[in-house]
Amino acid sequence: DIVMTQSPDSLAVSLGERATINCKSSQSVLYSSNNKNYLAWFQQKPGQPPNLLIYWASTRESGVPDRFSGSGSGTDFTLTISSLQAEDVAVYYCQQYYSTPLTFGGGTKVEIK
Amino acid sequence: EVHLVESGGGLVQPGRSLRLSCTGSGFTFGDYAMSWVRQAPGKGLEWVGLIRSKTYGGTPEYAASVKGTFTISRDDSKSIAYLQMNSLKTEDTAVYYCTRMIGTGWPVDYWGQGTLVTVSS
Repeated sequence: DIVMTQSPDSLAVSLGERATINCKSSQSVLYSSNNKNYLAWFQQKPGQPPNLLIYWASTRESGVPDRFSGSGSGTDFTLTISSLQAEDVAVYYCQQYYSTPLTFGGGTKVEIK
Repeated sequence: EVHLVESGGGLVQPGRSLRLSCTGSGFTFGDYAMSWVRQAPGKGLEWVGLIRSKTYGGTPEYAASVKGTFTISRDDSKSIAYLQMNSLKTEDTAVYYCTRMIGTGWPVDYWGQGTLVTVSS
């Protein structure tokens, strides 16, 4: 199984400042035949189901604000919120879909400082 | 607009069974793989299993934690996916989400609102 490890567990960022969340996979999720990283990021606000933000490690889902960006390849990935807004308070999860069992990171809670 | 609606959750005693349903609308249900993800109270997300579309064999896959006790099936004529849960344990207490995927090797793109299953005596 591919183990996904996120860091930090939580972070507090001032409004308008940058938030950075890291995700590391125990093995590469880069598929060499198509050069795609099978890595997604989800946002979960309190009392709501998760919502897809980013897939293929860096492709923003339709309707997701451009302050959200994903980067990385192989085993190391980053979700960046360039200018934190109040509505971005949530828990963020990475997930690999390279192989089953599909696995999630433990989540990173983002709060306002 | 895509909608996924779970039903069938509730309070059940340990050792008993429960079947969850996920009704899809706003898309051609049979063209998609359907997956179940659960979230224990205050915890993170755990993938439970999936069922491929008939185009890709309609076969299920399961997390090790539920293999042999949970069964996923689908009825494309009704646009419903099922999660049959047998021999339930207290640690199966969670919100169960139904999700949609184009297929294995694709991300989950839609989630239902979830249904709470509480396993307790």
